[in-house]
Amino acid sequence: EAQVTQNPRYLITVTGKKLTVTCSQNMNHEYMSWYRQDPGLGLRQIYYSMNVEVTDKGDVPEGYKVSRKEKRNFPLILESPSPNQTSLYFCASSTGAGMNTGELFFGEGSRLTVL
Amino acid sequence: GEDVEQSLFLSVREGDSSVINCTYTDSSSTYLYWYKQEPGAGLQLLTYIFSNMDMKQDQRLTVLLNKKDKHLSLRIADTQTGDSAIYFCAPYSGGYNKLIFGAGTRLAVHP
Repeated sequence: EAQVTQNPRYLITVTGKKLTVTCSQNMNHEYMSWYRQDPGLGLRQIYYSMNVEVTDKGDVPEGYKVSRKEKRNFPLILESPSPNQTSLYFCASSTGAGMNTGELFFGEGSRLTVL
Repeated sequence: GEDVEQSLFLSVREGDSSVINCTYTDSSSTYLYWYKQEPGAGLQLLTYIFSNMDMKQDQRLTVLLNKKDKHLSLRIADTQTGDSAIYFCAPYSGGYNKLIFGAGTRLAVHP
């Protein structure tokens, strides 16, 4: 089954404790992206990747890191989480770098709480 | 940057039609998408329209596009309780090479 898998789905952590949210897709997609969803703000892009070893900042990259060592995986790293990073996070992937022809496939989301 | 505006809430009675509206600023958008997010789930593509079309119908869904006013709407006929979800308007931005998401409209369907 074609899917985007995120882990963990739920996490409560404390300020400053490094964490990684994993994302894996089995559709051989080139394009992958991370979003955060906050009430009233919709989805805001954190980072995206056009292909292996190619990553770039989205709209709200501060406090986050990513890597794309393999095509299927795109982990999101919070080196020193803070309470304002409490949010619902989504990973998404697509066939092409040109989003005008590619549907975005989303993971089920990771709800992160930073105390 | 580019902007997408949607009303945050819509409440309709079961069996009625729902109309969700969206305005956007990027006049170069070639594809304009509607995504649906059910409770506790990720977003799923619902439908889309290409910028050279005015209307697209897909079963109970009708998408209308007014390019001049940069206005997009999604009509759901015979709305059911299973349609309760958040609906996101997402035009593709050629300048930024990505989808720009609105804040989402929460549709509540009541008996």
